[in-house]
Amino acid sequence: SQKIEQNSEALNIQEGKTATLTCNYTNYSPAYLQWYRQDPGRGPVFLLLIRENEKEKRKERLKVTFDTTLKQSLFHITASQPADSATYLCALALTGGGNKLTFGTGTQLKVEL
Amino acid sequence: EAGVAQSPRYKIIEKRQSVAFWCNPISGHATLYWYQQILGQGPKLLIQFQNNGVVDDSQLPKDRFSAERLKGVDSTLKIQPAKLEDSAVYLCASSSWKGGERTQYFGPGTRLLVL
Repeated sequence: SQKIEQNSEALNIQEGKTATLTCNYTNYSPAYLQWYRQDPGRGPVFLLLIRENEKEKRKERLKVTFDTTLKQSLFHITASQPADSATYLCALALTGGGNKLTFGTGTQLKVEL
Repeated sequence: EAGVAQSPRYKIIEKRQSVAFWCNPISGHATLYWYQQILGQGPKLLIQFQNNGVVDDSQLPKDRFSAERLKGVDSTLKIQPAKLEDSAVYLCASSSWKGGERTQYFGPGTRLLVL
């Protein structure tokens, strides 16, 4: 069966450090993968999209990598700040899937002073 | 640009009662999605509309859930009758698909508690 796995335990890091979140998947051939941020009581907010033929994408302090051989995406936040504290969700879209996204369970990130 | 609007924001009902949620997508967005997010889990797609047609409703429990988007703009999601396990946040999202756009824009969600 198809699975998307993210770290279920919260990730606590110190301000200024790099946070790395993992998204692993099985039995999928995704056309692209997206990362969203979700704050308590709010809907997810889109951050980055990476396609199957791309290895890395960057946006300001954010970097996403995509390894289709390992079936894994890594999401990095450099120079983390307390304002980065949130739950981060990865989502996969299949080729020909009409932009239908399947979400992971999310990883809660806490950035401490 | 106004975001995705949803109402109500909160709803508490007894099991076996009915409930309806409303969504107004971003203007011009042809695609509309309804997701169910149970506490501690990621959103799960219930139904996807392209204009006023259903693209995917494979995960919609059709014995109790229904959704419509009659004029290709606003949408309503109904649960009748509700069960305890329907307690969740119901998220609406929309996307434009123009120029290869793949971003989904989410509303704030409706928090449903079934007692």
